[in-house]
Amino acid sequence: DAGVIQSPRHEVTEMGQEVTLRCKPISGHDYLFWYRQTMMRGLELLIYFNNNVPIDDSGMPEDRFSAKMPNASFSTLKIQPSEPRDSAVYFCASSTPGLAASNEQFFGPGTRLTVL
Amino acid sequence: DAKTTQPPSMDCAEGRAANLPCNHSTISGNEYVYWYRQIHSQGPQYIIHGLKNNETNEMASLIITEDRKSSTLILPHATLRDTAVYYCIVRVSGYRDDKIIFGKGTRLHILP
Repeated sequence: DAGVIQSPRHEVTEMGQEVTLRCKPISGHDYLFWYRQTMMRGLELLIYFNNNVPIDDSGMPEDRFSAKMPNASFSTLKIQPSEPRDSAVYFCASSTPGLAASNEQFFGPGTRLTVL
Repeated sequence: DAKTTQPPSMDCAEGRAANLPCNHSTISGNEYVYWYRQIHSQGPQYIIHGLKNNETNEMASLIITEDRKSSTLILPHATLRDTAVYYCIVRVSGYRDDKIIFGKGTRLHILP
């Protein structure tokens, strides 16, 4: 398996522009997580889905952020409009508890977002 | 807030055992201790987890105290590739998943 796939790997945009980050979870995994990592705040969970349904979005910073999971193999995280403080590395992770004894989450390589 | 406390950084000589401590004094009876690590510029990677018994896999060993209020991750023969931030996490395991609360972790430096 190719693991969790994220695109793009790097994104540089200007303040006010719309940004869309993409994630393809591991095939067969029914949980999908979006995390954000900054030096100041560390690694924090934004939102997670179970069977394509959002379960907890309490970590989403504000209305400028939205996430969707239209099917089991694809999810997007959108920021509109983007601001310089959104600059961070965004990670996607997937898991399939109950089938893997470890209940581990598998992380993608991340998208490094820079908002100028 | 993270339910664990870890030292911010540690050094270990290459080839020696690296022992990373973690305090989790408020752990509940159904919560497991998990360890992840994050090598620079990569996503976090699962290492090991346990409930109350000591555990060992190909990457590391996990020693949990009898009262479960603390644990130690042991990398038996540290290499330069083990330089990373190590996160100790407590969470419920089972047939449902939920959020992982990452703390600041321990930055482990393996010295040549």
